[in-house]
Amino acid sequence: SQQGEEDPQALSIQEGENATMNCSYKTSINNLQWYRQNSGRGLVHLILIRSNEREKHSGRLRVTLDTSKKSSSLLITASRAADTASYFCATDPGAGSYQLTFGKGTKLSVIP
Amino acid sequence: DAGVIQSPRHEVTEMGQEVTLRCKPISGHNSLFWYRQTMMRGLELLIYFNNNVPIDDSGMPEDRFSAKMPNASFSTLKIQPSEPRDSAVYFCASTPRGSGYGYTFGSGTRLTVV
Repeated sequence: SQQGEEDPQALSIQEGENATMNCSYKTSINNLQWYRQNSGRGLVHLILIRSNEREKHSGRLRVTLDTSKKSSSLLITASRAADTASYFCATDPGAGSYQLTFGKGTKLSVIP
Repeated sequence: DAGVIQSPRHEVTEMGQEVTLRCKPISGHNSLFWYRQTMMRGLELLIYFNNNVPIDDSGMPEDRFSAKMPNASFSTLKIQPSEPRDSAVYFCASTPRGSGYGYTFGSGTRLTVV
């Protein structure tokens, strides 16, 4: 079963706009990670946020984590056509388990 | 480092044939994972290894699937006999031992069983 569930399933925006994707999960986590997958390619790790962190930035990416609500959001600012991809959240339960459980992803289309 | 290397990139085989997928993880990464991706089910963890030892294979769909990691630089996923429902993209990923690291994924093997 999927631990993380992304919302929305698909998102279409104009270049230059901000894109926000949300992720909800069910059980306690050690950290939460976001990945990008371009069509026909493997997943690429974007950012990791630990359970004791509330916000993290990396370039045009901003991730928030609310462990009380078991939710996270990924914000991509000033989007570009090259940001068109599917975005997945993945939860790491820690406690000696190295298994990441992935959601089904949000498909982002950035229109030039 | 060349990253996680998977071969072949594409495989088309007939139902009933044996299929072997290969993976070379990043040097120094002690954990290796095999995932399967389909439109219907998304990314499913099949099996993972720590220090070449299989830790959890509960995701392997049935006995037709087997995986080995004979050394730190090589792993195989074998399907025998293959069935059309095995058609999917199979990914290998590796990470340094321990929680708190991102995974590095290979480019995947697109398997089509006809």
